[in-house]
Amino acid sequence: GAVVSQHPSWVICKSGTSVKIECRSLDFQATTMFWYRQFPKQSLMLMATSNEGSKATYEQGVEKDKFLINHASLTLSTLTVTSAHPEDSSFYICSAKRGGYGYTFGSGTRLTVV
Amino acid sequence: DQQVKQNSPSLSVQEGRISILNCDYTNSMFDYFLWYKKYPAEGPTFLISISSIKDKNEDGRFTVFLNKSAKHLSLHIVPSQPGDSAVYFCAASGTSYDKVIFGPGTSLSVIP
Repeated sequence: GAVVSQHPSWVICKSGTSVKIECRSLDFQATTMFWYRQFPKQSLMLMATSNEGSKATYEQGVEKDKFLINHASLTLSTLTVTSAHPEDSSFYICSAKRGGYGYTFGSGTRLTVV
Repeated sequence: DQQVKQNSPSLSVQEGRISILNCDYTNSMFDYFLWYKKYPAEGPTFLISISSIKDKNEDGRFTVFLNKSAKHLSLHIVPSQPGDSAVYFCAASGTSYDKVIFGPGTSLSVIP
């Protein structure tokens, strides 16, 4: 149990365009999901906490207008990278917490902005 | 300011021997600690966790030790296997602090 699906697994986009990444909890409801990014050979950095039905809580230094988070249902959170630039190229990972199972992570999305 | 620290970026261990990965934290609000294993281009996989009310938790070949007074925890893998080669992340959160904060990771290589 406690499966989190993340889609797409990789995406290449042109500079200036927007990209949406989906994170779904497949067999449980998640009122809270988390979004991380990881640069090569670095740790996972928490970007924001996504709360169902309310605004996301962003970590210091993360531009909320650039990284739009929507958590419209108990099983889906989306991260939209707006006006993407090459420096946004990274590995983005979502996670959700389920009681008794701890934190489960999606498989990640490799974003490359060209 | 790094709240979770893993001071060894890499570790090499002979197959069959013990691997010991260390982690230190600074935030006293943390009361729940986790270890994750990660392969490149994949999401982290949960290994084992420990609550601050315990000082040891064991699951098969994996044991986590917690020293609250020292704000230190360690992951022991015995015996180490080549398939254990991966990056291991120490992470921390709290009942009143729902976010999971990751350390920088330690790359473990188990040599056959």
